[in-house]
Amino acid sequence: RKEVEQDPGPFNVPEGATVAFNCTYSNSASQSFFWYRQDCRKEPKLLMSVYSSGNEDGRFTAQLNRASQYISLLIRDSKLSDSATYLCVVSGWGSQGNLIFGKGTKLSVKP
Amino acid sequence: NAGVTQTPKFQVLKTGQSMTLQCAQDMNHNSMYWYRQDPGMGLRLIYYSASEGTTDKGEVPNGYNVSRLNKREFSLRLESAAPSQTSVYFCASSPRSSSYNEQFFGPGTRLTVL
Repeated sequence: RKEVEQDPGPFNVPEGATVAFNCTYSNSASQSFFWYRQDCRKEPKLLMSVYSSGNEDGRFTAQLNRASQYISLLIRDSKLSDSATYLCVVSGWGSQGNLIFGKGTKLSVKP
Repeated sequence: NAGVTQTPKFQVLKTGQSMTLQCAQDMNHNSMYWYRQDPGMGLRLIYYSASEGTTDKGEVPNGYNVSRLNKREFSLRLESAAPSQTSVYFCASSPRSSSYNEQFFGPGTRLTVL
């Protein structure tokens, strides 16, 4: 079983749509969860951390279900500028700060 | 603050050639990482340095060596490049050796091995 699995995508949505990304992880000992955003031919950048109680940052909402080992990201009122690849990231082995990255889901927001 | 910088941005090598990828961070971070990103594979950890003076293997260390030159700099060396090492290489840094901390990435080095 892959350590971090994401929806394969791509997701093609119109401006203003709501889109949801899902992610599952295999290591029940993982303690930290993140969503990163990666623009085409650029480096990954942190979008938001994911907390057990769920968290929201403007149009973005992240949820964590530890029992199901499932993470989600909801984007409301999609903008053209949201077009990117979204990476689900969880903490890996040991406590050395290692992170395990999903392969990412590509989002394309159309006018 | 420049954040994490990497040189070179692009490189083409012939099989068997060697090269060193340079990475530096000016955020006073303790931990630094080297990843490679291949189409359909996602980011994979090559080596990491939890703190100055220490280095450890990641998921895909074969064919690479690293040096943590000082707190700021972490280099990745390919001793004898192979076509399978064609990839985009990202360096990252993190404030502490803890998985609770986000990692900050450099702009990447696009390497082609012919």
